[in-house]
Amino acid sequence: DTAVSQTPKYLVTQMGNDKSIKCEQNLGHDTMYWYKQDSKKFLKIMFSYNNKELIINETVPNRFSPKSPDKAHLNLHINSLELGDSAVYFCASSRRQGTFHPDGYTFGSGTRLTVV
Amino acid sequence: AQKITQTQPGMFVQEKEAVTLDCTYDTSDPSYGLFWYKQPSSGEMIFLIYQGSYDQQNATEGRYSLNFQKARKSANLVISASQLGDSAMYFCAMTEGDDKIIFGKGTRLHILP
Repeated sequence: DTAVSQTPKYLVTQMGNDKSIKCEQNLGHDTMYWYKQDSKKFLKIMFSYNNKELIINETVPNRFSPKSPDKAHLNLHINSLELGDSAVYFCASSRRQGTFHPDGYTFGSGTRLTVV
Repeated sequence: AQKITQTQPGMFVQEKEAVTLDCTYDTSDPSYGLFWYKQPSSGEMIFLIYQGSYDQQNATEGRYSLNFQKARKSANLVISASQLGDSAMYFCAMTEGDDKIIFGKGTRLHILP
């Protein structure tokens, strides 16, 4: 069973379109995150949710909107896609916010978004 | 300001040799955690090892060990007896506050047969 699953794995779309990436975790974790990995492999946090509540909203364009219907799911919707949005987007989860657990974060396998 | 520094963008190592990947960090938090992740060419992020700032002993996980030098703010990853399958990107990461972990820019490790 996949602990953190993201869909789709690959997403190719035209500029201006709206798309969503879904994430689900079955680990019972309370906190979920979205990270963006750019073409130089740099990973940067975008959002985090703790038990459906938005905790972190880094400097991300308003075109990106996360939604957490329950603590096991965190989806990412992107409006009006731009060429610069092309990247790999990782969902991750961890145990309770504020605890440093040796397991760290568990990452999904990533969604490679290509905007053409 | 960059808080996690990995100074080696790329490394080439002969198979079966030991490898040390460097990581230095900067934080004013008295309590923090340090992590190493591996990202093979397939793209997934694999958790390798964790070190808590108050842990007295260096963390070890199989062939991985973390050389934690708190005063120098360094958390180097040591891979013993490297294997071809160790070829990957390696990321050092650190907790920032209570809410998130931040990553270094990574080191690409190539193991040569």
